[in-house]
Amino acid sequence: DVKVTQSSRYLVKRTGEKVFLECVQDMDHENMFWYRQDPGLGLRLIYFSYDVKMKEKGDIPEGYSVSREKKERFSLILESASTNQTSMYLCASSSGQPSGANVLTFGAGSRLTVL
Amino acid sequence: GQNIDQPTEMTATEGAIVQINCTYQTSGFNGLFWYQQHAGEAPTFLSYNVLDGLEEKGRFSSFLSRSKGYSYLLLKELQMKDSASYLCAVRDSNYQLIWGAGTKLIIKP
Repeated sequence: DVKVTQSSRYLVKRTGEKVFLECVQDMDHENMFWYRQDPGLGLRLIYFSYDVKMKEKGDIPEGYSVSREKKERFSLILESASTNQTSMYLCASSSGQPSGANVLTFGAGSRLTVL
Repeated sequence: GQNIDQPTEMTATEGAIVQINCTYQTSGFNGLFWYQQHAGEAPTFLSYNVLDGLEEKGRFSSFLSRSKGYSYLLLKELQMKDSASYLCAVRDSNYQLIWGAGTKLIIKP
C-alpha cells in the first residue's frame, strides 16, 4: 500500500559530502515536491516539478539541486552537505493542475544529520 | 510577508472536543488544507476548504472564514490515536502552499 517511498529513513553524513535523497511514487502523479521540516517552522519548499525533466525552485533552493528523469522518481541532491542542512526531508506528490484541490501524498521522510 | 499562525501545543481529554485554530495572512487565497502528522510519520490529508463555511467529515470538521483569514479544525469524541500534530496550509495567489508550524495535540485518558 506504500505510495511515496523515500529510499533512506535515516542518514548521517559528514560536512562536504554529496548526498542523494531518492523519492519514488507509484500513483502516476505529475507533480512532485521536496520539503524540509524543522522544529517550530512550517514545511518549507525546496524544489518542485510538474513534469518529467522540469524543475522549479521553491522558497529555499540554495545548496540543493534536483533531478527528475522519470515521472515516478524525484531526487534531491546536496552537492556539499553542511551542518545547517541537518533536517527532516519530506517528499510529496500530487496529481492535476496546481489550481485544483490536489492533495499531497507524502513519503515517511528522510532524517539527515550532517556532522 | 506571508504568515500562518497556529497554537504550538494543546492538551485535551479522551472523549472530549477540541478546536485547533489557524489564522493566516497571505498574498491571495486559493484554498486551505489541514493535514495530520503522527510522530515520525508522513503528514496525511484531512480536509480542504475553499469556500466559507463548515466541512464535516466524520469526527473531524473544518471551518473557514475568508474575510477573517481564519480557520479551525474541530475534533469530536477524541481518541488516543488523535494524538498528533495538525498542520494548516494555505494556497496563495501563485498556488503555492504556505504552511503553519503545526499544533501538537496531546490526548490524556
